[in-house]
Amino acid sequence: NAGVTQTPKFQVLKTGQSMTLQCAQDMNHNSMYWYRQDPGMGLRLIYYSASEGTTDKGEVPNGYNVSRLNKREFSLRLESAAPSQTSVYFCASSEFRGGVYEQYFGPGTRLTVT
Amino acid sequence: AQSVTQLGSHVSVSEGALVLLRCNYSSSVPPYLFWYVQYPNQGLQLLLKYTSAATLVKGINGFEAEFKKSETSFHLTKPSAHMSDAAEYFCAVSVNSGNTPLVFGKGTRLSVIA
Repeated sequence: NAGVTQTPKFQVLKTGQSMTLQCAQDMNHNSMYWYRQDPGMGLRLIYYSASEGTTDKGEVPNGYNVSRLNKREFSLRLESAAPSQTSVYFCASSEFRGGVYEQYFGPGTRLTVT
Repeated sequence: AQSVTQLGSHVSVSEGALVLLRCNYSSSVPPYLFWYVQYPNQGLQLLLKYTSAATLVKGINGFEAEFKKSETSFHLTKPSAHMSDAAEYFCAVSVNSGNTPLVFGKGTRLSVIA
């Protein structure tokens, strides 16, 4: 089991460029999430997908789009990157275990927009 | 809506001393509470979780937390700090058996002094 994998690990973009962050999980989980982490802000939810074919906005969705391609994969797209999107992005998936849904996190993608 | 407040963005303790990281939550329905740890340049790892089965919860690496409904708190403790405990710690809350996105606190960075 690789768990939750994310690509790329690092990326530098210029303002206005686009890119897609990839996330995959091999644990057969239904729910998947995208968070961003900024210093002093904790993790904030961008989008989530409760099951294949469904997506919902989180706290900070502006400037992002998502695709739940299949049960394994959940991608995050920046159509026109802005410096405010410089952040570390984490993907997570969840399963029901010990009476509660536990979230498992990927290693993160560190994105810099210049 | 749920929210989490972590008191102290940075806590410093001596090796062997008690670790106490504070977390207060707000929730209109019974909460599910979590503590995660993040080591430098890594993703988040679950330390422990509260699911209403017991108010004192033991987690990995010698950490434990006590749910106190009257104080709306879920503070994280460890009797004796090790150098390897230096990391960032996040408290998070969810509802509905945790099958909703987590709401995170802003994090507390723990430093351990030799």
